[in-house]
Amino acid sequence: DTGVSQDPRHKITKRGQNVTFRCDPISEHNRLYWYRQTLGQGPEFLTYFQNEAQLEKSRLLSDRFSAERPKGSFSTLEIQRTEQGDSAMYLCASSHGPGWGAEFYNEQFFGPGTRLTVL
Amino acid sequence: QQQVKQSPQSLIVQKGGISIINCAYENTAFDYFPWYQQFPGKGPALLIAIRPDVSEKKEGRFTISFNKSAKQFSLHIMDSQPGDSATYFCAASKDNAGNMLTFGGGTRLMVKP
Repeated sequence: DTGVSQDPRHKITKRGQNVTFRCDPISEHNRLYWYRQTLGQGPEFLTYFQNEAQLEKSRLLSDRFSAERPKGSFSTLEIQRTEQGDSAMYLCASSHGPGWGAEFYNEQFFGPGTRLTVL
Repeated sequence: QQQVKQSPQSLIVQKGGISIINCAYENTAFDYFPWYQQFPGKGPALLIAIRPDVSEKKEGRFTISFNKSAKQFSLHIMDSQPGDSATYFCAASKDNAGNMLTFGGGTRLMVKP
């Protein structure tokens, strides 16, 4: 399977605990994105990386959230001191970057998501 | 501020019918408009996408119609099938700003056999 993979698929935690999610993008993609999706809503952009550089962060990404992509391959999203409002599906996506040459080089391919429940 | 508004929120169509979902955007800097399909428990999957230099794009049973002056675009699903039952999201982004997708609120489509 050469698609985007995410781990774990489900996470249940107690309020105040820290959680970390992992995303493995499609291997030749140099852009990686994190989105959050609450029930019945469209995904909301959180942050994105070009290779290992984090180029954009949404205002939705509070100080309790941190994302890394240390070697330009997989990425982790950590949430510290979780709150009940953090309960959501966390989606990762990847794409080629500029210069790829395709019509839509920025087509984003999504993983299956990690569903977080904060009790 | 909701930059991409999607309607209807839910849609019921008979098998073989045409499903139509509409989106309107506010930011004229958007220059890439994809549609995603999402099944329960899965991540969104790209269906079809368009740039504003064309007014229509067709791929199989799926067609995007784009009206730049009205800042609106729509998805038409011809010969709708029960397997098309899913949630559909329109989205938009600005290429030169890093491709952050702004999604609409979603349309839950049910195709009755």
